[in-house]
Amino acid sequence: DQQVKQNSPSLSVQEGRISILNCDYTNSMFDYFLWYKKYPAEGPTFLISISSIKDKNEDGRFTVFLNKSAKHLSLHIVPSQPGDSAVYFCAAIYTGANNLFFGTGTRLTVIP
Amino acid sequence: GAVVSQHPSWVICKSGTSVKIECRSLDFQATTMFWYRQFPKQSLMLMATSNEGSKATYEQGVEKDKFLINHASLTLSTLTVTSAHPEDSSFYICSARGGSGADTQYFGPGTRLTVL
Repeated sequence: DQQVKQNSPSLSVQEGRISILNCDYTNSMFDYFLWYKKYPAEGPTFLISISSIKDKNEDGRFTVFLNKSAKHLSLHIVPSQPGDSAVYFCAAIYTGANNLFFGTGTRLTVIP
Repeated sequence: GAVVSQHPSWVICKSGTSVKIECRSLDFQATTMFWYRQFPKQSLMLMATSNEGSKATYEQGVEKDKFLINHASLTLSTLTVTSAHPEDSSFYICSARGGSGADTQYFGPGTRLTVL
C-alpha cells in the first residue's frame, strides 16, 4: 500500500502567486520528510526537508509545513516562477530504516 | 494503490562479486522502469530507463557493462552490479511508470548496497 500519497497529479499556478503542493502519509513512524523536484529525463533533486520535531522549515522561496496530527505536509513556493515548473515528489523515512518512501508526484506548471 | 517492491532491501557483498537487485510492480503493469542511485545531498541520479522487452537506455557516464539492466516482463526489472567495488556502495532506487499518467511514478523502497 502507498504509505506516502500525493493526491493531486497536477497543479497550475500563475507566475508570482503561491504554489501549494500537498502530501499525506499513513505511517506514524516517519520522522523525516523530504521534497524533491524533478525535470524530464533527470533524477529527482533534493529541494527541502523537515524533521518531525519541527512544524515548519523555510529556505528562500520554499517553505515546508508539517502537521503530524493530520499526517500531512505541504510545500509552499512563493512567489512562483516559470522555472519552478516540474514534477514534485515528497518522500518520507524513519530512523533506522533503509527505505525512502516516495509519493507519486505532482506536476506543477507555473504560467507566465 | 500501486506498489513497487525491491529485493533485497539491504545487501553486503565482497569486492569483485556480482549483486542482483529486483524491482517489481505488484499490482500494475510497468511499461517503463527507472533505476536511480542516491548520492550525498540526497539527490537521485538517474542511471537508466528500461522499457519492457527492449534494451535499457543508459545515462551518460553510467557503464552499461557494469550495471546490467533487464526488463523481462511488465512487472519485473533487475539491476545487476557486476564485479562490485567499494565505490559502488550506495542506495539504489527503482521506480515504475504504468501506461496511464505520464508523470506518475511509483518508487520502490530502495536497496542499500555495501561492498566490502
